[in-house]
Formats: sequence, C-alpha cells, structure tokens
Amino acid sequence: ELKVEQNPLFLSMQEGKNYTIYCNYSTTSDRLYWYRQDPGKSLESLFVLLSNGAVKQEGRLMASLDTKARLSTLHITAAVHDLSATYFCAVDPYSGAGSYQLTFGKGTKLSVIP
Amino acid sequence: DTAVSQTPKYLVTQMGNDKSIKCEQNLGHDTMYWYKQDSKKFLKIMFSYNNKELIINETVPNRFSPKSPDKAHLNLHINSLELGDSAVYFCASSPGLAGLTDTQYFGPGTRLTVL
Repeated sequence: ELKVEQNPLFLSMQEGKNYTIYCNYSTTSDRLYWYRQDPGKSLESLFVLLSNGAVKQEGRLMASLDTKARLSTLHITAAVHDLSATYFCAVDPYSGAGSYQLTFGKGTKLSVIP
Repeated sequence: DTAVSQTPKYLVTQMGNDKSIKCEQNLGHDTMYWYKQDSKKFLKIMFSYNNKELIINETVPNRFSPKSPDKAHLNLHINSLELGDSAVYFCASSPGLAGLTDTQYFGPGTRLTVL
C-alpha cells in the first residue's frame, strides 16, 4: 500500500523567512502533485511534477521531485501572509501513463505570522 | 464559469436518512472522482469513474453508491447515514489518461453533518 508522508504537519513561520515542506512516499512513482487548500475551501492545483529532477516555480513557491529518493519538496521563499493555507502532496502510484488514483499526504498547515 | 460544481454545499441530516450529493463538471473531462475529507483534513479517494464506468471503488461501505448518468455528472447517494459519515465530500475531475499533465480539478465540497 502506498504511503505518503508530509512533514512538518504544522508550520508557523514569520513573514520574510524561508522554509521547506517535505513529502516522502513509499513506492516508485514519477508523478507527484501539490495542492493548496484555504480554510473551508476547495483544493487548488499548484504543481504537477512528472519526472525525476522536475522543478517548477510559481511566485514564492518552488516544487521539486527526486524519484530516486522518493521525495518532493515545496520551498517557500520570503513568506507572506497570503501563503497561509494547508498544502497537500499527492502521489500517483503508477509511472508512465499514470492512473486515476491519487494518494494524498496528511497536509501541512502553514501559518505565516507578521 | 464554475468548472466543477457540487450541490448542496451544506447538508445536515439525521442518522438513518438517505441523501444524495450531485456533481457536475463543464471541463469536458473523461474522469470524475469522489473524495472524503475527515475532520483531521485527511483526504481519501472513494470512487472514480471514467466515461461513465466505475474504475476505482475503494473500501467504502456499500451504503455509498455512485451514479454517473453521463460523462459530465457523478452523483453520490448515501443510504442509512451514520454519525461517522460526517465529513466534507469533494468531487473532482481530470482529463483522464490522455494527457501527461493531468491534474485533478476539485469542486467546492459538500459538508455533510449527521446528527
């Protein structure tokens, strides 16, 4: 059974600081997704990482994938309050064409404080 | 334009009742999903349909029955509701296996409270 572990689960950081959220998974996969969820809201797709070494950046967020280490990171640069949300990583257990099934991590609740 | 819509947004009901949640997507996607998010925010897939056919059925009580009348709709019917069914239910859709950049697009969620 695929296991997806995120850490930390809770993160309180000051504005302007940098930090990294980690997503480890237990089986071979080269398809990993990051989502953001604001309180009481739906999930919004942030990044789709489809190969070893993939790196994607959007604003203050940068995601990377190391399939050999079975690790993805979400790096936050110079955090601002608007980034406060819960961030989920999700893994597709099948490489190549992919599957219909994502396994989600438990989420990292990020609070950015002034 | 709303890409993935769900109704109702909130549903409060008594134990033992039967209820339905509707989902519609206007993205032209082939694949639709139902997820359950519990009180600890853990998100778990329940069902997946591709072109109206069931392809994933996780270990979900058979009180839950999905129905897909067409590619754009996936409804969830729940019989004999129990307290443990209280959660937020999300519908999602994706293009399917056709593209390598598939991501899933989520609806706004339906908060179900069973009293």
